[in-house]
Amino acid sequence: EVQLVESGGGLVKPGGSLRLSCAASGFTFSDYSMNWVRQAPGKGLEWVSSISSVGTYTYYADSVKGRFTISRDNAKDSLYLQINSLRAEDTAVYFCARVGRMSTVISHFDYWGQGTLVTVSS
Amino acid sequence: DIQMTQSPSTLSASVGDRVTITCRASQTISTWLAWYQQKPGKAPRLLIYKASTLQSGVPSRFSGRASGTEFTLTINSLQPEDFATYYCQQYSSYSRTFGQGTKVEIK
Repeated sequence: EVQLVESGGGLVKPGGSLRLSCAASGFTFSDYSMNWVRQAPGKGLEWVSSISSVGTYTYYADSVKGRFTISRDNAKDSLYLQINSLRAEDTAVYFCARVGRMSTVISHFDYWGQGTLVTVSS
Repeated sequence: DIQMTQSPSTLSASVGDRVTITCRASQTISTWLAWYQQKPGKAPRLLIYKASTLQSGVPSRFSGRASGTEFTLTINSLQPEDFATYYCQQYSSYSRTFGQGTKVEIK
């Protein structure tokens, strides 16, 4: 059974940093590109970042470019999101999601984690 | 970025109704469109991909259709568990974008 479990969220002051993690199981992690998607309280879904299966290629939404860094460790079946220079508008639940097709970055998302909440407030 | 305009924002319906949600892309995306269902406090669930392909395990009362840059999600015979928020998503480009969501409420 495919499982994605996020962790690392919490309360952080504006300008602060956090590192989110997503532990994957139930599939060959290194075969799939992965993504982060966020959802501000009461709002819709926003794609944040993608990383190719071996980490060669990364992509970011304009709203986070230069502040967020996506990475992965295929030996540990783990995905990460380093978030720096946090702003109030970054407050959201952050989901990790797997693409639905192997060996491609551009695909729908077939499995999602339960999310981890990041709150940016002084 | 490709914009996805979803309508309506809210839809009131009764159990047994047939409901349709529309999503319009700002430019051509072929059939690179997915539909997700989300219930409060839960992760989104994939329903349909490539505009009309039903994800494994999703009931057949859900269907998707494409016509140019307009896409529709239809739920035939709405069930109590279908009351939720639905999102479309284009994956024609690296910058994946979602529609703003449609909340299906009980009338």
